[in-house]
Amino acid sequence: QVQLQESGPGLVKPSETLSLTCGVSSYSISSGYYWGWIRQPPGKGLEWIGNIYHSGSKYYNPSLKGRVTISVDTSKNQFSLKLRSVTAADTAVYYCARVSGSKYAEFWFDPWGQGTLVTVSS
Amino acid sequence: QSVLTQPPSVSGAPGQRVTISCTGSSSNIGAGYDVHWYQQLPGTAPRLLIYGNVNRPSGVPDRFSGSKSGTSASLAITGLQAEDEADYYCQSYDINLSGYVFGTGTEVTVL
Repeated sequence: QVQLQESGPGLVKPSETLSLTCGVSSYSISSGYYWGWIRQPPGKGLEWIGNIYHSGSKYYNPSLKGRVTISVDTSKNQFSLKLRSVTAADTAVYYCARVSGSKYAEFWFDPWGQGTLVTVSS
Repeated sequence: QSVLTQPPSVSGAPGQRVTISCTGSSSNIGAGYDVHWYQQLPGTAPRLLIYGNVNRPSGVPDRFSGSKSGTSASLAITGLQAEDEADYYCQSYDINLSGYVFGTGTEVTVL
């Protein structure tokens, strides 16, 4: 069964760029599906960040005001997240997930990676 | 601030039935978009519980069921068990926000 694993620095300085990668195993990203990022600030709820298709088609949460870039590397079977100009409010556990469903507006997320905590602090 | 509102907490004795509501509006659930539910055990990643309002992925016990009506959806847990203690989140799509939205989350406690 497909498994996802996030990786990247656990500490990022304010105003810098947060960079994470999600490695996918037991499934080829090139075969299909959208792939997504979701985050959860400590003790709080979930927030969708964005989705990307293996062909590169992507959708972002407008609330992140253009600070987000999601990319895919099919040769490495992974996809990545970059979040620019971070502040303490971006401190969260970041999850990657496979996106399922037949219609864009009715997608759900399954399965999820285990998540990685990123702290924004000087 | 989420556009999908859930009660902060619900509780029940083992064996009882509890329900969790997810209240939205005409720009999300009321617009006809599907609702999905996730279970998040302490310290772990969310796990899909219900998709497409009423469907259970393989491996999810039939004690969990979903429904949707108007601008709201509900998750019911029958025969409550200690292992059901977790946070539960609903998720849908919002046309005004142009993206996927999650509920505020509900903590289920087994007394």
